[in-house]
Amino acid sequence: EPEVTQTPSHQVTQMGQEVILRCVPISNHLYFYWYRQILGQKVEFLVSFYNNEISEKSEIFDDQFSVERPDGSNFTLKIRSTKLEDSAMYFCASRPGGPGQPQHFGDGTRLSIL
Amino acid sequence: DAKTTQPTSMDCAEGRAANLPCNHSTISGNEYVYWYRQIHSQGPQYIIHGLKNNETNEMASLIITEDRKSSTLILPHATLRDTAVYYCIVSLRMDTGRRALTFGSGTRLQVQP
Repeated sequence: EPEVTQTPSHQVTQMGQEVILRCVPISNHLYFYWYRQILGQKVEFLVSFYNNEISEKSEIFDDQFSVERPDGSNFTLKIRSTKLEDSAMYFCASRPGGPGQPQHFGDGTRLSIL
Repeated sequence: DAKTTQPTSMDCAEGRAANLPCNHSTISGNEYVYWYRQIHSQGPQYIIHGLKNNETNEMASLIITEDRKSSTLILPHATLRDTAVYYCIVSLRMDTGRRALTFGSGTRLQVQP
């Protein structure tokens, strides 16, 4: 069964550095999402992306964050000037078109900021 | 999106059916009910979803009451690998895909040997 893949599985970065988290959504999906989960807390929505533009973002997704779909298969989340509080699991999700179709999630990237 | 209420935790014996309830009394007519689960810190895994009819797939069954104000996820023969946090989420039926999923705290299901 096709699945969403994320790389790397674990990223360790010094505070203030930039990181790029990568996702390969399921191939025929049209809508793409990033969520994060700080250890012990709820899964939180960051951003959704459709037709090569952001369609919705949460208050967490500030100027520090950006997303891109650089080619037909990858979907990336960039975090500029990382802070300690950016440490979390970051999940990518995608879904096909059609009403009510569910989102499918990858297994996440664990981001650790030192 | 409509708010959901789930029990904080439940236990189930291995091999028995696990019935996980969810209240969504403010659900509107164009909102779907989705169930996901999360095992440890893995990504949320889609289980099943429905609008008003009961649904069944290879993983589970979803029973939605006639007034749509509550639903029950049924795992027919729970195994130890079904131990996870289960999330009931109500979300707008939007073809644009703009609607993000709002995760609550879910129900922590512990399957006992």
